[in-house]
Amino acid sequence: DIQMTQSPSSLSASVGHRVTITCRASQDIANYLAWYQQKPGKVPKLLIYDASTLQSGVPSRFSGSGSGTDFTLTISNLQPEDVATYYCHKYNSAPLTFGGGTKVEIK
Amino acid sequence: EVQLVESGGDFVEPGGSLRLSCATSGFTFDDYAMHWVRQAPGKGLEWVSGIGWNVDNIDYADSVRGRFTISRDNDENFLYLQMDSLRAEDTALYFCAKDSGRYTYGYSAFDLWGRGTMVSVSS
Repeated sequence: DIQMTQSPSSLSASVGHRVTITCRASQDIANYLAWYQQKPGKVPKLLIYDASTLQSGVPSRFSGSGSGTDFTLTISNLQPEDVATYYCHKYNSAPLTFGGGTKVEIK
Repeated sequence: EVQLVESGGDFVEPGGSLRLSCATSGFTFDDYAMHWVRQAPGKGLEWVSGIGWNVDNIDYADSVRGRFTISRDNDENFLYLQMDSLRAEDTALYFCAKDSGRYTYGYSAFDLWGRGTMVSVSS
């Protein structure tokens, strides 16, 4: 099975700063990758699909890039409301694996 | 309103069974694949099972294969998860999630999630 490795597991950054989260697949998954945001006590929310397509209604400070095995979620201009755990998710074939998550906090 | 509402979670002893339900509304249910995803307390997301829009493909995580059975009722717009031989490690909040791909053969990202139903397995 393909493993999804996210890094870092947690980070702290100042408001207005740029944050980068990486996700590495153990095998080529083309662009079958999504990113989700889960705020404390809330349901996961789709941010990015097909590696780089922004879901409708998601602020443009969120962006995704990558293909094959290496992917990145970038939050430019970090805002207080972005405090959450972020998960990558591969869906090219079953099993549909999630990364371990990255907890983002405000410094 | 587009929504997913899970039910059926409960406390159960190891070896027991539960049937989770997901009531859907606001979209054409039989156009989309559906999934179950779980989250153990304080842990990350784990995909459990998925079922194609026309039931042509059904898949399970290794951790539940042979114990859990996913099904759907396209007339009543319900998704189900029959959970047998439950173990302590199955304790989690179980989410129903809608696949974003319409009439697709495979799976896509999950664009709609329910609030979840809690399953606790303990003696």
